[in-house]
Amino acid sequence: EAGVAQSPRYKIIEKRQSVAFWCNPISGHATLYWYQQILGQGPKLLIQFQNNGVVDDSQLPKDRFSAERLKGVDSTLKIQPAKLEDSAVYLCASSHPSSLGGVSGNTIYFGEGSWLTVV
Amino acid sequence: SQQGEEDPQALSIQEGENATMNCSYKTSINNLQWYRQNSGRGLVHLILIRSNEREKHSGRLRVTLDTSKKSSSLLITASRAADTASYFCATASISGYSTLTFGKGTMLLVSP
Repeated sequence: EAGVAQSPRYKIIEKRQSVAFWCNPISGHATLYWYQQILGQGPKLLIQFQNNGVVDDSQLPKDRFSAERLKGVDSTLKIQPAKLEDSAVYLCASSHPSSLGGVSGNTIYFGEGSWLTVV
Repeated sequence: SQQGEEDPQALSIQEGENATMNCSYKTSINNLQWYRQNSGRGLVHLILIRSNEREKHSGRLRVTLDTSKKSSSLLITASRAADTASYFCATASISGYSTLTFGKGTMLLVSP
């Protein structure tokens, strides 16, 4: 089974420039996540999609970040304009949706990440 | 916001020793998961323990969950140099969709 694919792996841009990251989830996974991981910290959820609808984007800085998941498969995350503090790894992940509540649980599968350095 | 808090932040041991990492969280959960992250790589799922379970084993991994204390521990027995990585606990909330909230992680160094 192919894993979560992300590109590009590495990107260096100047502040105020824009950047876009692409993610292709595991086939059949309806739920897609974008996490931001700053060096030395744990991943922080930016946005969660269920098919092509947004479930949670409460921590997405909407003045500069945007994400879309057209057709409920691939997704892109865009930053415009970038700031120095956006330097981080952007992790895409996917999972099967689990039943709400209860104790069924689910596993999230991560891609290798896209490393962004803003200078 | 990060729900889980791992302890210790860093742990250095010799090969063959056991490594224990702890995680505390604040709100009620559906399940708790542990992930590993090798340097420069993505996160890999290790084990999931549900809120109605107290202990779970997988190979050299043993996870415990105490919902009354809102805490979990991950034990890696007979550690190997290849276990060197950062370990994160992540909690799934009871309500809503299965969003995982990660802690800051424990960096484990296993020396040969």
